[in-house]
Amino acid sequence: EVQLLESGGGLVQPGGSLRLSCVASGFTFSRFAMSWVRQTQGKGLEWVSAINGAGGKTFYADSVRGRFTISRDNSKNTLYLQLSRLRAEDTAVYYCTRDTVGATNAWSDWGQGTLVTVSS
Amino acid sequence: DTQMTQSPSTLSASVGDRVTITCRASQSINNWLAWYQQKPGKAPKLLIYDVSSLESGVPSRFSGSGSGTEFTLTISSLQPDDFATYYCQQYNSYSLTFGGGSKVEIK
Repeated sequence: EVQLLESGGGLVQPGGSLRLSCVASGFTFSRFAMSWVRQTQGKGLEWVSAINGAGGKTFYADSVRGRFTISRDNSKNTLYLQLSRLRAEDTAVYYCTRDTVGATNAWSDWGQGTLVTVSS
Repeated sequence: DTQMTQSPSTLSASVGDRVTITCRASQSINNWLAWYQQKPGKAPKLLIYDVSSLESGVPSRFSGSGSGTEFTLTISSLQPDDFATYYCQQYNSYSLTFGGGSKVEIK
């Protein structure tokens, strides 16, 4: 069974930093691209960032490029998202996602989410 | 970025109804489209990918169709478990983008 377990969320002041982690199990982690997707309270979904299986290719939404950094440690089956220069509009639940077997960037598996709140 | 527009934003229906949700892309997405179902407090669940491929374990009452820029999700006979919010998502190009959601409510 695929499991994705996020951690690292919390309350942070504007301009601050946070690192999210996602520990994966139940599949060969290095074979799958992974993404982070966020959802604001009561609102829609926004893709944030993606990384290929080897970790050499990364992609970002315009809204976070230059402030967030995605990475992975395949030896630890762990995905990361470093959040810097945080803004109020970054407040959201952040989900770690895994591609479905049949398609890249369609996500069959999601974590439970970790809440990031940016507020003074 | 490719904008995804869903309609309707809210839909009231009864158990047994046939329900159709539409998703329109601002440019061609070469059939790289997925549909998700989300219930309150839960992560989204993948229903369909590549426009019409049913994800494993998803009931066959769900189906997807369309091409180019116009796509639909159809629930052939609405069940009590189907009352939820549905999102389309394109993965033709970065930035990957979602529609605004369509909430299916009990009539």
